[in-house]
Amino acid sequence: KNEVEQSPQNLTAQEGEFITINCSYSVGISALHWLQQHPGGGIVSLFMLSSGKKKHGRLIATINIQEKHSSLHITASHPRDSAVYICAVPNFGNEKLTFGTGTRLTIIP
Amino acid sequence: NAGVTQTPKFRVLKTGQSMTLLCAQDMNHEYMYWYRQDPGMGLRLIHYSVGEGTTAKGEVPDGYNVSRLKKQNFLLGLESAAPSQTSVYFCASSTIPWVAGGQVNEQFFGPGTRLTVL
Repeated sequence: KNEVEQSPQNLTAQEGEFITINCSYSVGISALHWLQQHPGGGIVSLFMLSSGKKKHGRLIATINIQEKHSSLHITASHPRDSAVYICAVPNFGNEKLTFGTGTRLTIIP
Repeated sequence: NAGVTQTPKFRVLKTGQSMTLLCAQDMNHEYMYWYRQDPGMGLRLIHYSVGEGTTAKGEVPDGYNVSRLKKQNFLLGLESAAPSQTSVYFCASSTIPWVAGGQVNEQFFGPGTRLTVL
């Protein structure tokens, strides 16, 4: 089973700061998923990426397959970015996903 | 489209009681999943279905049963609830498998059901 570690577990920052959330995994993969869980509990997909970088608005996700590492960046952070960010990676052999425990981000106005 | 809906949103049970959680999707998705989310742990797969009439066990299936009699509905049953089943339960659906050929594909999640077993 692929082991997933996210860091930091909790992050508090001031509005406008540049945010970086990290995800490391133990077994080589070809793609990775970033999700966002809102304070109310709802979960939405942010990115699915297999190489390089993807950008959506102020969110940027990067992945380094060789290093077994991915990062999620938020530029010009805003209080509405406050959420739990989760990365998930596939387990080869059983085609299931292993989820990280998430990074709880709080942006203070 | 309502997307993925879950019923109920909250429930409190006593140990030994039974209940059924309903997941419904209106996107004509083949694949449906039930997950549980516990503090300090990542989402864990309970059961899943690859199409109407099919079900399969996930990572933590013990104490749960599921049925997919209709393509749009996926039911999760607890026959005899235990305090260890206190959790937040999420349903998800997708047109293709979440993971296929090593690639991750988009899943759509329901809003969750918060279950407390006393």
